[in-house]
Amino acid sequence: NAGVTQTPKFQVLKTGQSMTLQCAQDMNHNSMYWYRQDPGMGLRLIYYSASEGTTDKGEVPNGYNVSRLNKREFSLRLESAAPSQTSVYFCAIYTGELFFGEGSRLTVL
Amino acid sequence: DQQVKQNSPSLSVQEGRISILNCDYTNSMFDYFLWYKKYPAEGPTFLISISSIKDKNEDGRFTVFLNKSAKHLSLHIVPSQPGDSAVYFCAASAHAGNMLTFGGGTRLMVKP
Repeated sequence: NAGVTQTPKFQVLKTGQSMTLQCAQDMNHNSMYWYRQDPGMGLRLIYYSASEGTTDKGEVPNGYNVSRLNKREFSLRLESAAPSQTSVYFCAIYTGELFFGEGSRLTVL
Repeated sequence: DQQVKQNSPSLSVQEGRISILNCDYTNSMFDYFLWYKKYPAEGPTFLISISSIKDKNEDGRFTVFLNKSAKHLSLHIVPSQPGDSAVYFCAASAHAGNMLTFGGGTRLMVKP
């Protein structure tokens, strides 16, 4: 999905470890989002950013922090990972519809 | 409680036949509905949408029908092709905004 790049694509963590998922866009859009996808649950919004310097909580923000330091980048941080955070994480931008990155698969042991 | 529900986790269809994927919603404020398609190891991609002022929207082999009184929408794929095999997510927003609520997804398998 050209235009939205997520890193890393795969990560395995132990309970209590921290990590940051990075998202970068080259499409110059204001709104950016972080979703998680779990079986049977669809995609649930974690945090979003309507513009540079602003962030807001979504449906499932607990255990996460975000940072939108510039228009291009929106990062998602897990300070102390838990097994319940095992999921596939998607970053998205709003282009009239949501345009998603390829996802980051995170496993917390 | 889930505001957008896709009650069929999976659907299997023969190539060339019609695929019908269903979606129900509970929030009467939703006025814009979308379908996304997702292949394994890829992000979801936008497929088709419909505004609440319409009851049908068609794009090639894909048609979305909206029944506001029943709070129900469906995606029809005719004819179905093996390349349509994917997970389909229904989504909805209020005031045609950019905050989407997604259903749980339906895995479609189209058999050759």
